[in-house]
Amino acid sequence: SQTIHQWPATLVQPVGSPLSLECTVEGTSNPNLYWYRQAAGRGLQLLFYSVGIGQISSEVPQNLSASRPQDRQFILSSKKLLLSDSGFYLCAWSSGRGSSYNSPLHFGNGTRLTVT
Amino acid sequence: GENVEQHPSTLSVQEGDSAVIKCTYSDSASNYFPWYKQELGKRPQLIIDIRSNVGEKKDQRIAVTLNKTAKHFSLHITETQPEDSAVYFCAVFWGGGADGLTFGKGTHLIIQP
Repeated sequence: SQTIHQWPATLVQPVGSPLSLECTVEGTSNPNLYWYRQAAGRGLQLLFYSVGIGQISSEVPQNLSASRPQDRQFILSSKKLLLSDSGFYLCAWSSGRGSSYNSPLHFGNGTRLTVT
Repeated sequence: GENVEQHPSTLSVQEGDSAVIKCTYSDSASNYFPWYKQELGKRPQLIIDIRSNVGEKKDQRIAVTLNKTAKHFSLHITETQPEDSAVYFCAVFWGGGADGLTFGKGTHLIIQP
């Protein structure tokens, strides 16, 4: 069965520090991978998605970036964090473009980031 | 892009009563409509989904209905229980550039004992 791992679970970082969140998926090949952000008490905002290694699409301009160095690894980064980057970051996967129908997203457990 | 409106933002019902949450969307090409349940501090989890070639789908106490003409879909929970208390998100897959789901803003469902 497929599993998704996301770490760390919580993170407290000072303003201006770098960020690296990692997500890996097991049990599937060529998944679509996503990073979402959820502000406190708010909805889910799509930040980045990837349909393959090295292929990243950004939905929201910001000081964050994403990379996909391997098929089942997705990394969210920042060179300098802002206070507004605080939130709950969720990695997710879905079946890749080879699927004959749209498939649901499966979320990781999330990383709660607090920028101080 | 796709625009998803979800109502109400908060819904309080008595235990045992039914709850209905409604979402509307803007792009008639949208073809996949999942619902997620998110308990406090946890990840969203898929509870039911429907595709555009189906008008209704039911799974025990949960059902989803889709009206493609009116571009709205609804989540129905019957015989509500305390463990149904959570935030529920509707989502729409439109595939028109953003290869992912556009989510509604969520409904906080409160089950009163």
